[in-house]
Amino acid sequence: GAVVSQHPSWVICKSGTSVKIECRSLDFQATTMFWYRQFPKQSLMLMATSNEGSKATYEQGVEKDKFLINHASLTLSTLTVTSAHPEDSSFYICSARDTTGANVLTFGAGSRLTVL
Amino acid sequence: EDQVTQSPEALRLQEGESSSLNCSYTVSGLRGLFWYRQDPGKGPEFLFTLYSAGEEKEKERLKATLTKKESFLHITAPKPEDSATYLCAVQLHGSGNTGKLIFGQGTTLQVKP
Repeated sequence: GAVVSQHPSWVICKSGTSVKIECRSLDFQATTMFWYRQFPKQSLMLMATSNEGSKATYEQGVEKDKFLINHASLTLSTLTVTSAHPEDSSFYICSARDTTGANVLTFGAGSRLTVL
Repeated sequence: EDQVTQSPEALRLQEGESSSLNCSYTVSGLRGLFWYRQDPGKGPEFLFTLYSAGEEKEKERLKATLTKKESFLHITAPKPEDSATYLCAVQLHGSGNTGKLIFGQGTTLQVKP
């Protein structure tokens, strides 16, 4: 079945630094990927829709300059948290849909970001 | 405003004690309703997609049903390994080209042996 890989699975950084998270579709092509954020014991909140070869579409309230998304190929999207602060600490999860297959979103295992 | 509400927030069952999880939705136009399972510290794992009222799908001890206002996830004779958070999500008409999902807050199920 479809597999989505995220890297790193966890990262700790100092306040003010930038962190990049990668999301790869391993065995299928994804023209669209999604980035979600999840706080402890809460559900997934959609941050943005990542479109291959074009600009990402951000949800209301999500800072575009804070969360940079690049989708340069059909198998890779990256989320960069710029000038991270402790309030950015969260679980970030990406998902992708095989555009040639069933209408199912496959999720990555998530990336735990801790900003000190 | 499109909304997805799950209940209960948490559920504790004894092994073998069947129960149901509820997902009610108020949306402008439903294209599909999805159920996912999420284990702690991991990404959601796909369970079912339902597209029309009256549709049912089964997988092992789980059965999902759909009406025009809500969906139920029935768990029959659960086992401890069924312990997880179950997430319901809706996909709206118009978002079908991208597959965007709106999630409920989840039901955390604990099954005790």
